[in-house]
Amino acid sequence: GAVVSQHPSRVICKSGTSVKIECRSLDFQATTMFWYRQFPKQSLMLMATSNEGSKATYEQGVEKDKFLINHASLTLSTLTVTSAHPEDSSFYICSARVGVRSNQPQHFGDGTRLSIL
Amino acid sequence: KNQVEQSPQSLIILEGKNCTLQCNYTVSPFSNLRWYKQDTGRGPVSLTIMTFSENTKSNGRYTATLDADTKQSSLHITASQLSDSASYICVVSAGGNNAGNMLTFGGGTRLMVKP
Repeated sequence: GAVVSQHPSRVICKSGTSVKIECRSLDFQATTMFWYRQFPKQSLMLMATSNEGSKATYEQGVEKDKFLINHASLTLSTLTVTSAHPEDSSFYICSARVGVRSNQPQHFGDGTRLSIL
Repeated sequence: KNQVEQSPQSLIILEGKNCTLQCNYTVSPFSNLRWYKQDTGRGPVSLTIMTFSENTKSNGRYTATLDADTKQSSLHITASQLSDSASYICVVSAGGNNAGNMLTFGGGTRLMVKP
């Protein structure tokens, strides 16, 4: 089956640090990847849609200068949390979609637990 | 506004017992409905997917049902095991030819199976 790898799985760093999270589709090409954020005991909240070779589309309320997304190839998207602060601590999950249509399946990575001290 | 509501929010059952989780949705136009299992600290894993024409789908001890008329779905877990302890998320996909993300997530049901 389709596998999505996310790295690192956990990050603990000081306030003000920038953190990069990678999302890779291992056995398929993903034109579109998605980045989600999940707070404890809540469901996933879409942050942005990452399209290979073009700018990401951010959801309302998500700062694009804060959460930089790069989708340089069909198998890799990165999310950089710039100048992270404690309120950015959360569980970040990516997904990759097989195909371009919105109703095609998304496969999720295992998430990155970000803790800002 | 597209919405997916799940009940109960949390559930505790004894190992070996059955349980049923509910999902009500108002998503239009409807494309498909998926149930995901999310273990603590992990990403969601797809259990079942159903389109408009399907009213039941099984995956081992998991059986999902879909009533497209009443816009309700259920996930039935048979002979629960300790490893079934997780959050179960109902996700409804809206139809369309656009390339955006048309998924609407439910809030999830946190299931705990106790020995």
